[in-house]
Amino acid sequence: DQQVKQNSPSLSVQEGRISILNCDYTNSMFDYFLWYKKYPAEGPTFLISISSIKDKNEDGRFTVFLNKSAKHLSLHIVPSQPGDSAVYFCAARAMEYGNKLVFGAGTILRVKS
Amino acid sequence: KAGVTQTPRYLIKTRGQQVTLSCSPISGHRSVSWYQQTPGQGLQFLFEYFSETQRNKGNFPGRFSGRQFSNSRSEMNVSTLELGDSALYLCASSLVPGRSSYEQYFGPGTRLTVT
Repeated sequence: DQQVKQNSPSLSVQEGRISILNCDYTNSMFDYFLWYKKYPAEGPTFLISISSIKDKNEDGRFTVFLNKSAKHLSLHIVPSQPGDSAVYFCAARAMEYGNKLVFGAGTILRVKS
Repeated sequence: KAGVTQTPRYLIKTRGQQVTLSCSPISGHRSVSWYQQTPGQGLQFLFEYFSETQRNKGNFPGRFSGRQFSNSRSEMNVSTLELGDSALYLCASSLVPGRSSYEQYFGPGTRLTVT
């Protein structure tokens, strides 16, 4: 049962434009959501997170939006830069699972210059 | 502050052998989690350790085990290796479970190839 889904395997965006990566979840017990960026042969790098009591969190060029009723979150990157090209993973945690993170399958972002 | 370190970075083993991977968390971090990444299954949670105790375990066979030492360093062991165990094994550290923020910081991983 895939509790966290990233339905777009890849996304291509022009440099300077907005990148929007989407993530859906099914488990209503998830109370914290995180986005990670990953380059090949490296570990995931933490980008930004959001608690379920909020609907938006912003950090520089990165903003995460959470719609609890729709069980949907999205990561906005503005403006997109070529160095943002990587695989982006959405992850979620539920208190009952301790520190266990449930990851989506990832979305490959390509930013064209 | 140094990040999460994992050793070795690359490993080649033969079916039936066993392997031990090591992880040193960020200084001050006391919780260590392990994940397996494969092309087919993505990132899958293996187990989590805090204060030398396993707090949570994923759906992996008993061949996968781990431990944590008093300095928070952790090791994971895979016995009787199978071809399907070939993967990138990632270690992640976080401050203390139960805090309001749950960011986990990952190491570079150990690439295990089983032949």
